[in-house]
Amino acid sequence: DVKVTQSSRYLVKRTGEKVFLECVQDMDHENMFWYRQDPGLGLRLIYFSYDVKMKEKGDIPEGYSVSREKKERFSLILESASTNQTSMYLCASSFGQRTYEQYFGPGTRLTVT
Amino acid sequence: AQSVTQLDSQVPVFEEAPVELRCNYSSSVSVYLFWYVQYPNQGLQLLLKYLSGSTLVKGINGFEAEFNKSQTSFHLRKPSVHISDTAEYFCAVSGSGSARQLTFGSGTQLTVLP
Repeated sequence: DVKVTQSSRYLVKRTGEKVFLECVQDMDHENMFWYRQDPGLGLRLIYFSYDVKMKEKGDIPEGYSVSREKKERFSLILESASTNQTSMYLCASSFGQRTYEQYFGPGTRLTVT
Repeated sequence: AQSVTQLDSQVPVFEEAPVELRCNYSSSVSVYLFWYVQYPNQGLQLLLKYLSGSTLVKGINGFEAEFNKSQTSFHLRKPSVHISDTAEYFCAVSGSGSARQLTFGSGTQLTVLP
């Protein structure tokens, strides 16, 4: 089975802190994604990566950056956390150049106070 | 660009009753369609997918969906629901132009009542 793990299930940070969310997948997938999930808005794509050291902006990249130094690891960085970044963050991975299913991690619920 | 509309944000239904969760999409290219389920405090899990072929797709846990190209719909159905089906359900679409990305609907909360 594909396993996607996220470093924390729950995280509480203060406004202005730098926040790192880590995601690791164990199936040698090329593609990795970061989404945020908010009630009534579904999942919105923040950033994605199709290869090591490659990154592309999704629909809502403002206030976020990412890093992919190794194929299995994709990090989301909030340079200066703000209260409007309080949300559920979901990481996903998938295989290949065409869309088959994405495999999701359990999510990190981030609260910024 | 594609978009997904899930017409119902909340669907309450009694146990053992049938249910249909509606999904409509818009896309100018051929699409792949997916339904995911999210149980409380968990990530998303794939229920079923349509890539090509038969328009009736069967998934896990007794769910099925029908792809209707003329109506641009991909509604999810189950003939008899259980309490354990209580969860949020997301419809998603991808197109050949951005084949590796998914666009998600806003979700439907299915609550099964005893």
